[in-house]
Amino acid sequence: EPEVTQTPSHQVTQMGQEVILRCVPISNHLYFYWYRQILGQKVEFLVSFYNNEISEKSEIFDDQFSVERPDGSNFTLKIRSTKLEDSAMYFCASSEDRGRGTEAFFGQGTRLTVV
Amino acid sequence: GIQVEQSPPDLILQEGANSTLRCNFSDSVNNLQWFHQNPWGQLINLFYIPSGTKQNGRLSATTVATERYSLLYISSSQTTDSGVYFCAVDEKLTFGTGTRLTIIP
Repeated sequence: EPEVTQTPSHQVTQMGQEVILRCVPISNHLYFYWYRQILGQKVEFLVSFYNNEISEKSEIFDDQFSVERPDGSNFTLKIRSTKLEDSAMYFCASSEDRGRGTEAFFGQGTRLTVV
Repeated sequence: GIQVEQSPPDLILQEGANSTLRCNFSDSVNNLQWFHQNPWGQLINLFYIPSGTKQNGRLSATTVATERYSLLYISSSQTTDSGVYFCAVDEKLTFGTGTRLTIIP
């Protein structure tokens, strides 16, 4: 069964460093998403991406964050100059379409720890 | 933005018991999904159910879109059902706060 895959599963980085989280969405899906879950809290929407551009972003997704689809299969989230409060689980998701009738599928997550 | 509330926040049950988890949302929605977050943090799709009723084994879900709520039913609970259950609504998937279910052997 097709699945969304994320790498790495865990990442530890020093405060101030840049990190890139990688995702391979399901191959025929057109919409891609990033979400964040701080430990013990709910999952929060960060950004959605379609047709090589951001279609929607939350207030969390500030200039520190960027997304890219560098090739036909990967979808990345870059966090510049990481802060302690960026420590969280980051989930990538993809869907065939957007709107009614569309189910999103999530990757297994990348646990980011900023020290 | 849309508000999503789940109840109860915590639920502890004996193995074999049945449970009902509720998701209320503040506005009409086109999408609604239920997820199970397992102890390893993975989000497992349970149901895509913007309206109507679906069943999958011991789990079933009902969404009454006109009244802005959804229910997840778990019958004959097993210890592997433990974890956090989230509903998420609308196109960008606004998540609720979750229900933490603990099944005791």
